[in-house]
Amino acid sequence: SQTIHQWPATLVQPVGSPLSLECTVEGTSNPNLYWYRQAAGRGLQLLFYSVGIGQISSEVPQNLSASRPQDRQFILSSKKLLLSDSGFYLCAWGTSLVPAYEQYFGPGTRLTVT
Amino acid sequence: AQSVTQPDIHITVSEGASLELRCNYSYGATPYLFWYVQSPGQGLQLLLKYFSGDTLVQGIKGFEAEFKRSQSSFNLRKPSVPWSDAAEYFCAVTGAGSYQLTFGKGTKLSVIP
Repeated sequence: SQTIHQWPATLVQPVGSPLSLECTVEGTSNPNLYWYRQAAGRGLQLLFYSVGIGQISSEVPQNLSASRPQDRQFILSSKKLLLSDSGFYLCAWGTSLVPAYEQYFGPGTRLTVT
Repeated sequence: AQSVTQPDIHITVSEGASLELRCNYSYGATPYLFWYVQSPGQGLQLLLKYFSGDTLVQGIKGFEAEFKRSQSSFNLRKPSVPWSDAAEYFCAVTGAGSYQLTFGKGTKLSVIP
């Protein structure tokens, strides 16, 4: 069966510090990968998605970036965090097989920027 | 542009009562619809999905949802809600050729013991 991991689970970082969140998927190959941010009362905001190694699509202009160095690894980064980057970050994977379009989510990372 | 509206921000029900969570979508083509549940501090879990065929779909944990094209709705139902169903519920839509889901802002369900 497929599993998705995210780490760290929680993170407290000062403004201006760098960020690296990691997501890995097991039990599947060539998944579509996604990064979302969730703020209270605002639902889920899609930040980035990737349909293959090195292929990143950005949905929201910001000081965050994403990379996919391996097939089942997805990394969210920032060079300098802002207070507004605080939130709950969720990684998700989806199969590239049609017609399955559902996404499966990891446990999330709670980021607090102080 | 596609969108999902969940009109109820917060719903409170008594344990054992029935439940219906509303979801209205806007999508220019045939929609693919989903319901997810999120417990506090956790990721989202897929409850059920609709792609085509029977408009009444069954999911995990005893949930079901009915697709009504004429009303652009995909409401989630459960006949009897245990205390453990207290969580936040999200409806989502996508369509053919798109690998992105559009989510509603969620409905928080509280269950009174």
